[in-house]
This record gives sequence, structure tokens and C-alpha cells, in this order.
Amino acid sequence: AQSVTQLGSHVSVSEGALVLLRCNYSSSVPPYLFWYVQYPNQGLQLLLKYTSAATLVKGINGFEAEFKKSETSFHLTKPSAHMSDAAEYFCAVSDSNNLFFGTGTRLTVIP
Amino acid sequence: EAGVAQSPRYKIIEKRQSVAFWCNPISGHATLYWYQQILGQGPKLLIQFQNNGVVDDSQLPKDRFSAERLKGVDSTLKIQPAKLEDSAVYLCASSSTEGRLAKNIQYFGAGTRLSVL
Repeated sequence: AQSVTQLGSHVSVSEGALVLLRCNYSSSVPPYLFWYVQYPNQGLQLLLKYTSAATLVKGINGFEAEFKKSETSFHLTKPSAHMSDAAEYFCAVSDSNNLFFGTGTRLTVIP
Repeated sequence: EAGVAQSPRYKIIEKRQSVAFWCNPISGHATLYWYQQILGQGPKLLIQFQNNGVVDDSQLPKDRFSAERLKGVDSTLKIQPAKLEDSAVYLCASSSTEGRLAKNIQYFGAGTRLSVL
């Protein structure tokens, strides 16, 4: 069975500080892993995806994530937070048929 | 290319009333999904279509929820009768069937926010 756990339902960072959003996965097969972002009153937008190629994945808006099989993790990072990064972030794992989402992490950026 | 279109954006109804949501996927995407996102939670799959056939509806409360995709393009999701706990955002997503990677990438619409009073 596939599942993801997002540690921390709320994360606050200062503008310009490092963003680190944590995601651990459980999968019985080699996983596809995704990070989606959801801005208020909008749908989910794909940030980046891991598909068994490079373990360090670069996405849009300066975000990246590293797949670590030994830790079953896929944490999302950004070196310097912008005010526009304030949103809800969802980690998801796919078994090639369905997406299984975590409960989300709300990122607040403090000016 | 145009994204996934959903309507209405917002709907307020009283319990025991019925409601319908509409979704038009990205052109050419054979797979269509309906998700329910309750406040504070991640999206939960309700039903998945491939063309006009149902692939997975195991999480759909079939006593009150129904969905169809008659011509393999747009889709409607209906709730009848609605309960208070159905208050949520209903998201539609679509994906291509071309290639192992493409079919794993789902593109989401803006959603319909339902409030049941």
C-alpha cells in the first residue's frame, strides 16, 4: 500500500530563509513521488516529480526535492523564501494508477 | 493548452438537497478523476474514469454520490441527498494515457467549494 506522511501541518519561515517541508513515504513498489502546491481558492499545481531518474529533482519557482530511498523521504526545499510562496503544500505518492496525498503543510512566510 | 475546467466555483445548499458539479478535462486526456478535499486534509480519490468507463470507484459513497462521463470527455458528479459532512472542495483532475510517466501526472482544476448548511 502507498501512503505519505507530512511532518508538520504548519511551517513558518522568515522571508529569505530556507524552506524545508518534510515528506516520508511508504510504497510496496518503486514509487513515483510528487509535490503539489495549492494557493488559496485554487486547485493543485504540480511543483515537481520524481520518476526514478535523478534523485535530486528541480521544480518550478526555485523548489527542489531529494529522493532518499534509505530514509524513504522526499523533502521539499527552497534556499530563500518569498512572500509568494505562502500556500499549502502536498506530497503525494503514486502506484502508477492512483495518487495518495499527505495531509498537507501550510507554509507561512513572515516579512 | 487550456487547463481543467470546473463549475460552479462555489455552491451553498441545505442538507438533503441535491447538487451537481461539472468538469471538462484537458483536451485529449483519457483519464479523469474526482477528488474530495475536506478542510485541513489532502485530496481523497472518489472515482476514476478511463474514457467513459469507471476504473476505480471504491471510495465513492454510492448511496448518495454518482458520477458519469457519458461521452468520454466531460463529467458530472452528483450528490443526492447532501449531508453536512459533504462540505468540502471537489476537485477534478485529468491525465494522459500516453506513456508511463505522463499517466502519472495529474492536472487539477480549481475545484468547487461546497457548503452544506
